[in-house]
Amino acid sequence: GAVVSQHPSWVICKSGTSVKIECRSLDFQATTMFWYRQFPKQSLMLMATSNEGSKATYEQGVEKDKFLINHASLTLSTLTVTSAHPEDSSFYICSARRDRGLGGYTFGSGTRLTVV
Amino acid sequence: AQTVTQSQPEMSVQEAETVTLSCTYDTSESDYYLFWYKQPPSRQMILVIRQEAYKQQNATENRFSVNFQKAAKSFSLKISDSQLGDAAMYFCAYGAGGGADGLTFGKGTHLIIQP
Repeated sequence: GAVVSQHPSWVICKSGTSVKIECRSLDFQATTMFWYRQFPKQSLMLMATSNEGSKATYEQGVEKDKFLINHASLTLSTLTVTSAHPEDSSFYICSARRDRGLGGYTFGSGTRLTVV
Repeated sequence: AQTVTQSQPEMSVQEAETVTLSCTYDTSESDYYLFWYKQPPSRQMILVIRQEAYKQQNATENRFSVNFQKAAKSFSLKISDSQLGDAAMYFCAYGAGGGADGLTFGKGTHLIIQP
């Protein structure tokens, strides 16, 4: 149980275009999902917290107009990288909480974004 | 703000031996969780072990155990009988007990298993 599906696993896009990444909890409802970014050989950095039915909360330094997050249902959160540039190339990982207060975080398999 | 520090960028251990990965953290919260995650080359984050701060007993999962020293804010991971499949990046992570916040990760330790 507690599976999080992230799609696509990799994507290449041209500069100036937008890319959408989906994160789905397959067998549980996730009122809160998290989006992380990981540069090569570095750690995961929290970008934003996505709450179902409300606006996402962004970490300091993360451009909310560039990284649009939508959490329209209890099983789906999307991250859209708008007007992508080469510096947005990175590995993006989502995570969903299974149970509040029980420390149950499940991670998606990640999306490798390359902007050319 | 919470911080997580892993002071060992890389560790190497012989197969079947025991290795300990270090992690320290800083927080003013009283209710929180600590985690060790494994990230193999596939980059899938795999939960290794989890510790609730209110529990004094150290968590254990088969060959993996932690040494949780709350006063010292230390949370080390011991891997016994190391196996080739244990080779990966290991990240220590902190999560606030309320659950509304995401995790804060350390910089990671690259574990090499020598056959």
